[in-house]
Amino acid sequence: GENVEQHPSTLSVQEGDSAVIKCTYSDSASNYFPWYKQELGKGPQLIIDIRSNVGEKKDQRIAVTLNKTAKHFSLHITETQPEDSAVYFCAASSYSSASKIIFGSGTRLSIRP
Amino acid sequence: EAEVAQSPRYKITEKSQAVAFWCDPISGHATLYWYRQILGQGPELLVQFQDESVVDDSQLPKDRFSAERLKGVDSTLKIQPAELGDSAMYLCASSPRRQGAGDIQYFGAGTRLSVL
Repeated sequence: GENVEQHPSTLSVQEGDSAVIKCTYSDSASNYFPWYKQELGKGPQLIIDIRSNVGEKKDQRIAVTLNKTAKHFSLHITETQPEDSAVYFCAASSYSSASKIIFGSGTRLSIRP
Repeated sequence: EAEVAQSPRYKITEKSQAVAFWCDPISGHATLYWYRQILGQGPELLVQFQDESVVDDSQLPKDRFSAERLKGVDSTLKIQPAELGDSAMYLCASSPRRQGAGDIQYFGAGTRLSVL
């Protein structure tokens, strides 16, 4: 089955700097890669996703890149702000698995003022 | 903005007791998921419903866990008897039925279970 590895597990960056979180996946059939943000006491919220027919997607300060050959994808947050502090999860899914999403283990991002 | 509703938000119980969690998905969403999230880890799928039918319950500990979605709308997840290792966040998510690869899943706030 699918296995998603995520790193780093914790990340601390200065406010205004960029943050990068990296993930790898094992199942070559995976074709949908969402990223979720989870704040304390809340459920995960989708922040951006990418499908296998594109290599990069951007939404304001957030961007995701996908390398299908290497089976890895990354989340980039630019101009970080205090409200970006949260736990971020990458995930992978394939239509053939009835859209079952496999999550990474999470990255705790802290923004230093 | 439509949300996935879950209750209760917090539940404290003693081991060997029965507990139940309720989820009301976003209106019109055909697919409903129950996840378990252990502290410091990502969510793990327990069961997936398409309308009232179970699509995947391969990770559901069926000796003590049960889930139902009788009318294809809201759902209940039950644990009987609860064990210490069941302490976790139980998350419900829903997604609209669509063609193509990958459905966006919308999560509720979860139920935090503590088993004493």
